[in-house]
Amino acid sequence: GESVGLHLPTLSVQEGDNSIINCAYSNSASDYFIWYKQESGKGPQFIIDIRSNMDKRQGQRVTVLLNKTVKHLSLQIAATQPGDSAVYFCAETIYNQGGKLIFGQGTELSVKP
Amino acid sequence: EAEVAQSPRYKITEKSQAVAFWCDPISGHATLYWYRQILGQGPELLVQFQDESVVDDSQLPKDRFSAERLKGVDSTLKIQPAELGDSAMYLCASSLARDRGTAEAFFGQGTRLTVV
Repeated sequence: GESVGLHLPTLSVQEGDNSIINCAYSNSASDYFIWYKQESGKGPQFIIDIRSNMDKRQGQRVTVLLNKTVKHLSLQIAATQPGDSAVYFCAETIYNQGGKLIFGQGTELSVKP
Repeated sequence: EAEVAQSPRYKITEKSQAVAFWCDPISGHATLYWYRQILGQGPELLVQFQDESVVDDSQLPKDRFSAERLKGVDSTLKIQPAELGDSAMYLCASSLARDRGTAEAFFGQGTRLTVV
């Protein structure tokens, strides 16, 4: 199938700690995997993406890891801040299906001060 | 910074009425998407345009939903008649052509529809 799902619906971390948000996907044909952040009442905001031929990509305070063997994707946020509190979605896209994004259900990250 | 513009932000409508949403993508973005997001779930694609052409509307309930992008720029999504189950956030997104080496799609703030 083409499902993308998340292991944990909620994650609570202390400010300053690192956060790890996980995602499982089922379609090995996906070309890109993307993480989005969505704050309450707003549209999803792009965080970082990774091509299927890579296993790691780093951005500012964020790292995405892709393990194709077990079809697992993770988002690591370093030194988590209160402003990181939001729902995080992983998504996949398959170019031969038009490039549409297929989203998982989301993980709500709560940062405690 | 360029943004995807959507209007209205909020809409309350009665069951069986018609409702329309408007989206203006980022200038130069050939691909435009309409997604529906039910509270607590991830967005689900309704329709995808490449310029003015529909490339995927397989999940669009065509008996009541319609979408157009006549000049390949802004787009309108219409629901007629609205049903209670249509209450959701309607998100518009746009992206460059898909062969640009990135999967980044930019989302608007969405239209929160409540059908009563």
